[in-house]
Amino acid sequence: NAGVTQTPKFQVLKTGQSMTLQCAQDMNHNSMYWYRQDPGMGLRLIYYSASEGTTDKGEVPNGYNVSRLNKREFSLRLESAAPSQTSVYFCASSEKGARLTEAFFGQGTRLTVV
Amino acid sequence: GENVEQHPSTLSVQEGDSAVIKCTYSDSASNYFPWYKQELGKGPQLIIDIRSNVGEKKDQRIAVTLNKTAKHFSLHITETQPEDSAVYFCAVSYSNYQLIWGAGTKLIIKP
Repeated sequence: NAGVTQTPKFQVLKTGQSMTLQCAQDMNHNSMYWYRQDPGMGLRLIYYSASEGTTDKGEVPNGYNVSRLNKREFSLRLESAAPSQTSVYFCASSEKGARLTEAFFGQGTRLTVV
Repeated sequence: GENVEQHPSTLSVQEGDSAVIKCTYSDSASNYFPWYKQELGKGPQLIIDIRSNVGEKKDQRIAVTLNKTAKHFSLHITETQPEDSAVYFCAVSYSNYQLIWGAGTKLIIKP
């Protein structure tokens, strides 16, 4: 039972490069999320998708774009990476909203922008 | 908007003793308060949650208490064990889909 799978696990980018972080869940959940985790700051929501076909901004959306490809997959794109985007990125999913049902997290992607 | 403060940032306790982590929040409209545990190299995992119509909830060695008037809630772990060592995060609901997270508490269990 895989749960939430993120790829890649580690990535180093040069400033200005682009990349897409992939996330897939096999729990038939409706809602999916992208968070970033920085030391001493907890998790901050970048974007979320309440259901297939919808996406909404979270606390820190600037510099990111997302695509809800289908019910299973939710990708996060950095168009022009900046050192401030160095972070650990987590994808999560929940059956309904995070206030209503438990959120399940992937193992994270550690991204370094040099 | 909602603001969540979590204390302490690091907590070291002797194995078998109790640990208490506290969070305060600012928005009185918040009504859902989960606690997540994050082990090294993994994503957070829900360990217990409480809703605003309840004052306390227990699950074996773990309990959460909520004081809505004072706008704070706490995680209590009794009879701590080595496997309790991890980073613990509180969170507060901001909307149906958004949680605002505390900065985390690193819990160290000393043998």
